[in-house]
Amino acid sequence: NAGVTQTPKFQVLKTGQSMTLQCAQDMNHEYMSWYRQDPGMGLRLIHYSVGAGITDQGEVPNGYNVSRSTTEDFPLRLLSAAPSQTSVYFCASSPHGGSGQPQHFGDGTRLSIL
Amino acid sequence: DQQVKQNSPSLSVQEGRISILNCDYTNSMFDYFLWYKKYPAEGPTFLISISSIKDKNEDGRFTVFLNKSAKHLSLHIVPSQPGDSAVYFCAAINTNAGKSTFGDGTTLTVKP
Repeated sequence: NAGVTQTPKFQVLKTGQSMTLQCAQDMNHEYMSWYRQDPGMGLRLIHYSVGAGITDQGEVPNGYNVSRSTTEDFPLRLLSAAPSQTSVYFCASSPHGGSGQPQHFGDGTRLSIL
Repeated sequence: DQQVKQNSPSLSVQEGRISILNCDYTNSMFDYFLWYKKYPAEGPTFLISISSIKDKNEDGRFTVFLNKSAKHLSLHIVPSQPGDSAVYFCAAINTNAGKSTFGDGTTLTVKP
């Protein structure tokens, strides 16, 4: 059982480049989310989705786009990378967002913007 | 304004003793609280949770206590083991909003 799979694990970009971080889950979870973790800080919510076709902004959405065309996939797009977006990105899923159920996390994508 | 705070960035405990990790929150709309554990180069994994209608939840060596009036929760690990060394995140959920808010984490080191 793969759970939540994130690709790539590492990526280096130049300022201004764009890229997509992939996230897939095989647990048929309705709720998916993206977080970023900066050194010494907790996880900050970027975008989330309560089901296919529905997305919403989190705490720090600027510079990122998401889409949810299927239940399984929730890609995160950086439109024009900036050094401030250097971070570790985590994707997570849970059965439903409106409950106290815990989230399952991927192992993260470590992104460096030069 | 940080709604979930873990004021101790680090904690060091001797093997076999009790570890107590603390978390404070400000938003009274939070109705579930969770603790996650994170090892380096891995994603957080769920440890234990508590509903706002309870004041204690226990799972093996792990117990979470909730004091709603003080807006404070704590995670007790007894006895602590070297394998418990990790970063522990406190998270709070407002189920109406469907979002989780995380604290900055506490790094626990359990010395043999």
